[in-house]
Amino acid sequence: QKEVEQNSGPLSVPEGAIASLNCTYSDRGSQSFFWYRQYSGKSPELIMFIYSNGDKEDGRFTAQLNKASQYVSLLIRDSQPSDSATYLCAVREYGNKLVFGAGTILRVKS
Amino acid sequence: NAGVMQNPRHLVRRRGQEARLRCSPMKGHSHVYWYRQLPEEGLKFMVYLQKENIIDESGMPKERFSAEFPKEGPSILRIQQVVRGDSAAYFCASSLTSGGPSDTQYFGPGTRLTVL
Repeated sequence: QKEVEQNSGPLSVPEGAIASLNCTYSDRGSQSFFWYRQYSGKSPELIMFIYSNGDKEDGRFTAQLNKASQYVSLLIRDSQPSDSATYLCAVREYGNKLVFGAGTILRVKS
Repeated sequence: NAGVMQNPRHLVRRRGQEARLRCSPMKGHSHVYWYRQLPEEGLKFMVYLQKENIIDESGMPKERFSAEFPKEGPSILRIQQVVRGDSAAYFCASSLTSGGPSDTQYFGPGTRLTVL
């Protein structure tokens, strides 16, 4: 069973700070990685995907991928209280299914 | 509404009854996935379907659960003889293709199933 590991948190950051969310995965052959945000009682919402080593930026979000270390991260700059949610890391397995981590709870305090 | 649609949003069943969950993918999407999220747990893959075909059902419980995606109409996840342990949020996702590295799955609002 392929595994995706995340620190469950909660991760607390002050408003305006950078939030750093981390994820490791067990399958060295994994190619595509996704970050979803899930508010309590709601469905997962896609934030970003990444499949090449390095950084990918989209607005206040930056995804970072290091395949050699089997590590993917999400940075949120200028964190806002509305960013408070659970962040899910997902890895696509062969056959197209997503394997999710348990999620990291982020709390942004104003 | 061009997003993934699911109904009902909330479903209450008594033990032993049947539950039918429906999912209409995003417009133009022909790949449908079902995931289950048990209380205080992560999302778990259940099944992957294309029109009239089950592609991967490796996450489906062996008994009582079935899924279909007919040529016409929504995808259906069916749970027979529900038990309390089936209480969960069931999410449907859809994607445009199945092969590209950037192919992404978009989730519907989910069906919250409660078994009394």
